[in-house]
Amino acid sequence: ETGVTQTPRHLVMGMTNKKSLKCEQHLGHNAMYWYKQSAKKPLELMFVYSLEERVENNSVPSRFSPECPNSSHLFLHLHTLQPEDSALYLCASSQMVLAGDSPGQFFGPGTRLTVL
Amino acid sequence: SQQGEEDPQALSIQEGENATMNCSYKTSINNLQWYRQNSGRGLVHLILIRSNEREKHSGRLRVTLDTSKKSSSLLITASRAADTASYFCATGFNSGGSNYKLTFGKGTLLTVNP
Repeated sequence: ETGVTQTPRHLVMGMTNKKSLKCEQHLGHNAMYWYKQSAKKPLELMFVYSLEERVENNSVPSRFSPECPNSSHLFLHLHTLQPEDSALYLCASSQMVLAGDSPGQFFGPGTRLTVL
Repeated sequence: SQQGEEDPQALSIQEGENATMNCSYKTSINNLQWYRQNSGRGLVHLILIRSNEREKHSGRLRVTLDTSKKSSSLLITASRAADTASYFCATGFNSGGSNYKLTFGKGTLLTVNP
């Protein structure tokens, strides 16, 4: 176990559904991330939160809406998704540092999302 | 883009053999990290090597970094069936306060046959 949990582990949804992915970290980190992993593509960074403020949004479609209520929890709200959004969604956490080394990240097990 | 690129894309070896995977990147980095991912699971951080380091060891893992060639290698010695996984390199760089950002490659799929 890496100290980062994600629920649900598997999700099947229609294009008109609304669902949420949840991530929780028990490591005392102050930064949390959402990544998308599709087959045969590099890991794509979607959102970054540092101290509960969003610091990065890599041009992600508005049908993905993140929420970070505190430093331990991160959500990804989904609505009107497309079949091409089917992928493994990974949450990660780390310590955010102002300068110097990029910190190692701790990943959750992921949510396998299938959009019908 | 300073995306890391792993080579080979897939590697199949027998248990007990050594496995070597390579990673190339394009721009200056502050460190390079290697991660492992078992099928359909999250990534696990294996080792971090800083830009001023040339070699690092952790158990059966040996990582080298050549910043002049913008490349790194991960060596797993005396491989085991449990080492079967995808291995990713990730580069971190410090630019305008973006040192939290890691750029991942597509990974090398390692299969260790019993």
